[in-house]
Amino acid sequence: GQNIDQPTEMTATEGAIVQINCTYQTSGFNGLFWYQQHAGEAPTFLSYNVLDGLEEKGRFSSFLSRSKGYSYLLLKELQMKDSASYLCAVKVNNNAGNMLTFGGGTRLMVKP
Amino acid sequence: DAGVTQSPTHLIKTRGQQVTLRCSPKSGHDTVSWYQQALGQGPQFIFQYYEEEERQRGNFPDRFSGHQFPNYSSELNVNALLLGDSALYLCASSAPTTSYEQYFGPGTRLTVT
Repeated sequence: GQNIDQPTEMTATEGAIVQINCTYQTSGFNGLFWYQQHAGEAPTFLSYNVLDGLEEKGRFSSFLSRSKGYSYLLLKELQMKDSASYLCAVKVNNNAGNMLTFGGGTRLMVKP
Repeated sequence: DAGVTQSPTHLIKTRGQQVTLRCSPKSGHDTVSWYQQALGQGPQFIFQYYEEEERQRGNFPDRFSGHQFPNYSSELNVNALLLGDSALYLCASSAPTTSYEQYFGPGTRLTVT
């Protein structure tokens, strides 16, 4: 089976930088995703990493180390609207599709 | 271009009843996945449909069943509802060429009393 761990809650200040970590243990790894989910809303796609390294997309960056089973999501210049849950999800290659296994989510609170 | 749509938005059922939830995928998408998200938890994969067949299934009992129609829309059926089935049910669709990216619908909030 798969095991995905991420912190339950984090707090940061508006304008600051925050890093949300995710560790995973899985076989047949075929990519790691980060989703943002505001309360009561659907998850929205943020990033996808399948190779080691850093992917930058505006204020958000995501890093992956497959050998360490580790990823992080970096949010810069935090805004109040970034207060949300951030979900780490792993895709496993089982030749049957693109099932995602999610972590429990990290609830980020951005304070003024 | 409509995104993923789900109906109904909210639903209240009694233990033992049966429920059907519906999902229409994003235009151009042919694969539909269903997830259950309990309050404060991450989504858990229920099953995935492609070409009108269940292609993958998560660790959910047979009370959970589904269907995909020729127009790629899908239904999730849950029989003999339990209190623990109360959750947000999310539908996600993906396209053949970018199958790694799943687009989620707004979800159906099911409450079992």
